[in-house]
Amino acid sequence: DAGVTQSPTHLIKTRGQHVTLRCSPISGHKSVSWYQQVLGQGPQFIFQYYEKEERGRGNFPDRFSARQFPNYSSELNVNALLLGDSALYLCASSPWTAYEQYFGPGTRLTVT
Amino acid sequence: KNEVEQSPQNLTAQEGEFITINCSYSVGISALHWLQQHPGGGIVSLFMLSSGKKKHGRLIATINIQEKHSSLHITASHPRDSAVYICAVSGTASKLTFGTGTRLQVTL
Repeated sequence: DAGVTQSPTHLIKTRGQHVTLRCSPISGHKSVSWYQQVLGQGPQFIFQYYEKEERGRGNFPDRFSARQFPNYSSELNVNALLLGDSALYLCASSPWTAYEQYFGPGTRLTVT
Repeated sequence: KNEVEQSPQNLTAQEGEFITINCSYSVGISALHWLQQHPGGGIVSLFMLSSGKKKHGRLIATINIQEKHSSLHITASHPRDSAVYICAVSGTASKLTFGTGTRLQVTL
């Protein structure tokens, strides 16, 4: 079975631009969570979606938004990119909330 | 003070050594997770536990809920165990709060 997939793998953007990151969960998993990992630090929670509804949001500005589609895939959108948004963005899926999470390989975003 | 603290931050061991990584947390939790992250970023879930002890191969994880403390042990360490080991906790939802990780290097 395929694991969690994320696209793109790497991305370079300029300050002020917008970016969309994509995540496909493991088949049958209805919960998707997004995390940001800045170099040298542990991941930070951004969003959790379950059954297409937002179930949790971390301490991130409104420039960050996400959605989940009927097939349970998810997009993370970041507007007005800042240099500090440069990070590894991780997606994790689980069958439902409060369960073990399975992580994708991440998307490495560089903002110049 | 972070909600999840790990020690040590860095650890170097020789092949075959017994390794212990510690995690303390300050919030109520429903589960504690041990994760492994290799260079390049991919994260693998090693254990999810809410009480007692779990074992998988050479890896053992224990948790003491009263003391809010968990340990990850690696027996007979091997260079392929070199990675960053991350402790994370979850509440009633599956939002994870992570520690900063322990960078382990196992040498021949």
